Amino acid sequence: EAQVTQNPRYLITVTGKKLTVTCSQNMNHEYMSWYRQDPGLGLRQIYYSMNVEVTDKGDVPEGYKVSRKEKRNFPLILESPSPNQTSLYFCASSLGQGANSPLHFGNGTRLTVT
Amino acid sequence: GDSVTQMEGPVTLSEEAFLTINCTYTATGYPSLFWYVQYPGEGLQLLLKATKADDKGSNKGFEATYRKETTSFHLEKGSVQVSDSAVYFCALSDRSNDYKLSFGAGTTVTVRA
Repeated sequence: EAQVTQNPRYLITVTGKKLTVTCSQNMNHEYMSWYRQDPGLGLRQIYYSMNVEVTDKGDVPEGYKVSRKEKRNFPLILESPSPNQTSLYFCASSLGQGANSPLHFGNGTRLTVT
Repeated sequence: GDSVTQMEGPVTLSEEAFLTINCTYTATGYPSLFWYVQYPGEGLQLLLKATKADDKGSNKGFEATYRKETTSFHLEKGSVQVSDSAVYFCALSDRSNDYKLSFGAGTTVTVRA
């Protein structure tokens, strides 16, 4: 089954403790992206990657890192999480760019930083 | 920069009622427009899209028409079901950077039996 898999689904951590949220897709998609969803703000893009070893900042990259060493994986790294990073995070992928390549989303990771 | 404005929710309806969710956009270029739907506990799924003026996107009984003159892309469904309860997001991608989607804040719709 074609899918985007994120782990974990839920994560509670403390300020400053490094964490990684994994994202994997099995559709051989070139493009992958991370979003955060906050009430009243919709989805905001954190980072995106157009292919292996090619990443770029989205609208809200501060406090986050990503890497794209393999086509299928695009982990999101929080080196020193803070409470304002408490949010619902989504990974997404698409075959290419443009309106004919819709995004496929994972089921989300709900992160709480205390 | 590009932005999308959606009507605020939540919206609560009875089954078989008519649903409309307003969406307007601001873009420097000539964007493609989308509606995504998020069912409880799931990620977003593409519902419909339109890529040029006067195009009508449709899927699962939902429709939206790309209106360049009013910079709008309102979502409509003539007769909603309980299974349509979800959060709906309007989004755009500008042709200059098709990789970047700008999302609205989302509208929560609850349909009661």
